[in-house]
Amino acid sequence: DGGITQSPKYLFRKEGQNVTLSCEQNLNHDAMYWYRQDPGQGLRLIYYSQIVNDFQKGDIAEGYSVSREKKESFPLTVTSAQKNPTAFYLCASSMGFVGYEQYFGPGTRLTVT
Amino acid sequence: SQELEQSPQSLIVQEGKNLTINCTSSKTLYGLYWYKQKYGEGLIFLMMLQKGGEEKSHEKITAKLDEKKQQSSLHITASQPSHAGIYLCGADINIGSGGGADGLTFGKGTHLIIQP
Repeated sequence: DGGITQSPKYLFRKEGQNVTLSCEQNLNHDAMYWYRQDPGQGLRLIYYSQIVNDFQKGDIAEGYSVSREKKESFPLTVTSAQKNPTAFYLCASSMGFVGYEQYFGPGTRLTVT
Repeated sequence: SQELEQSPQSLIVQEGKNLTINCTSSKTLYGLYWYKQKYGEGLIFLMMLQKGGEEKSHEKITAKLDEKKQQSSLHITASQPSHAGIYLCGADINIGSGGGADGLTFGKGTHLIIQP
């Protein structure tokens, strides 16, 4: 079955530690995205990648980093510089960047204490 | 200010009743996408609208984009418990801004509760 997987579903970390969230897709999509969802805030774009080996900052990129070495994979690292990292993180992919629907993974809930 | 406004924020509807959710922007919506989300889960794609006046239906859900491409509505007919969840609209807004496309902008969502 084609789709997007995110792992793990729940992640707990101590403050000051970096943590990497996994996102894999087997839909052969060129574009991939990371969003953060907080209660009452909707989805906010962290980073996006239109093609392998290229990525761009979204609206709230500070404290996050990404890589896109393979078409299928777009991992997100939440660094210790992110001041409020506890949130629900969603990864998505689309066939192209403009004019295409995005398909979402199941999400990772990160809790930092 | 929020570029994409959804209303209402929450909605409680008796099972079997019809309901409408709105998504409005002061800017042109070059592509409008409706999604549904169960709490704590990913978003499920429902429909995409691109042309002014376009209307699409799937089972009991109908989405419309107005002629000016600044407002969309999602209408559910004869609501069922399975319709409960959070409905989000997303849109390509910034294409015409001169700054290039920046991905989808999302509304804050409408929480739909179906009462038996």
